[in-house]
Amino acid sequence: GAVVSQHPSRVICKSGTSVKIECRSLDFQATTMFWYRQFPKQSLMLMATSNEGSKATYEQGVEKDKFLINHASLTLSTLTVTSAHPEDSSFYICSARARGQHEQYFGPGTRLTVT
Amino acid sequence: AQKITQTQPGMFVQEKEAVTLDCTYDTSDQSYGLFWYKQPSSGEMIFLIYQGSYDEQNATEGRYSLNFQKARKSANLVISASQLGDSAMYFCAMRADPFKNYGGSQGNLIFGKGTKLSVKP
Repeated sequence: GAVVSQHPSRVICKSGTSVKIECRSLDFQATTMFWYRQFPKQSLMLMATSNEGSKATYEQGVEKDKFLINHASLTLSTLTVTSAHPEDSSFYICSARARGQHEQYFGPGTRLTVT
Repeated sequence: AQKITQTQPGMFVQEKEAVTLDCTYDTSDQSYGLFWYKQPSSGEMIFLIYQGSYDEQNATEGRYSLNFQKARKSANLVISASQLGDSAMYFCAMRADPFKNYGGSQGNLIFGKGTKLSVKP
């Protein structure tokens, strides 16, 4: 199957700082990328959807100014958590899909801890 | 609105036996896709199997098969000959019209709450 990478896999940051998480599709062109958040022992909750070259669509309740998403190319999307707070600590997973394909491939996730 | 229901928070199965993980769904869409993902403790989401709503045959991928009953709106995952490495969380997911390139989040996967499978030696 296709490969999606995420970097970093783990990050610890101080409250008030910003953290950038990268999501790359390594062997296919991802026309659509999704960002999810997962709390312990819970399911994945969609935060936003981004299509290459256009602004991301955020789910209800997700602050677009806090969670900045950029999908600048067909292989890269970034999520920046701005002014991070301890309650932003979570597991963030990206996912990518190519045009016309039904399969959606996931990155390995990034565990963010805000102290 | 679409909804996925997984009623089994946890399941145990003896190694080498088969196990069925339940999934029911609700949608008003005529065309949709059903997916199963495995999430081991490492956190990565591993795609297992896909079933299109118009597929007449049940999907199979190695030891995984999807028991698709459209009238009952169920898409149960069957794992045959369980292995210790099968211990993980399993998520059922759905998306409307999987081959259509939606704008926005309409093309997103809707996930169930998951089932934790534990395989006993």
